Amino acid sequence: GAVVSQHPSWVICKSGTSVKIECRSLDFQATTMFWYRQFPKQSLMLMATSNEGSKATYEQGVEKDKFLINHASLTLSTLTVTSAHPEDSSFYICSAEGTSGRGGELFFGEGSRLTVL
Amino acid sequence: QKEVEQDPGPLSVPEGAIVSLNCTYSNSAFQYFMWYRQYSRKGPELLMYTYSSGNKEDGRFTAQVDKSSKYISLFIRDSQPSDSATYLCAMRSPGNTPLVFGKGTRLSVIA
Repeated sequence: GAVVSQHPSWVICKSGTSVKIECRSLDFQATTMFWYRQFPKQSLMLMATSNEGSKATYEQGVEKDKFLINHASLTLSTLTVTSAHPEDSSFYICSAEGTSGRGGELFFGEGSRLTVL
Repeated sequence: QKEVEQDPGPLSVPEGAIVSLNCTYSNSAFQYFMWYRQYSRKGPELLMYTYSSGNKEDGRFTAQVDKSSKYISLFIRDSQPSDSATYLCAMRSPGNTPLVFGKGTRLSVIA
């Protein structure tokens, strides 16, 4: 199956700083990537849909100025949490649809755990 | 009503038991149905993939989709302690649409 790589897998930062998370499709091109957030013992909640070369589409309640998404190439999407606060501490996971996969199948990264002190 | 409903559990079974996990949904546009397994602090891992209705078997795992009832199931036979994880159902409409997840069911298989 297709591989999606996320980096960093784990980050701790001070309140007020910004953190960038990268999501790469390693062996396929992804015109669309999806960013999810998962709080402890809860399911994955879609934050935004990232389209290569255009602006991301954010879900209701997700602040686009706080969670900056850039999808500059067919293999890389980034999520930047700006001016992070403790309530932003969560598990962030990206996914992408691979051209080599079955219709509808999404491949997930390993996730990035953010802790804001 | 949420798009996808899944009992969060927790569900605890003895080793060797048959486990049944279920989800219901309301969006008739969903065509792709998946089950993911997620271990603590890890990303979801695809277990089963089904397009439209029907059954699919892979080793100890069987997935069933009943579109007329908007109901999907995952059965795990001869459950093992290593099956202890959270199981998430997920489904998707055709096109560039995101996966919609259930809440996930936490399963513990006791040796």
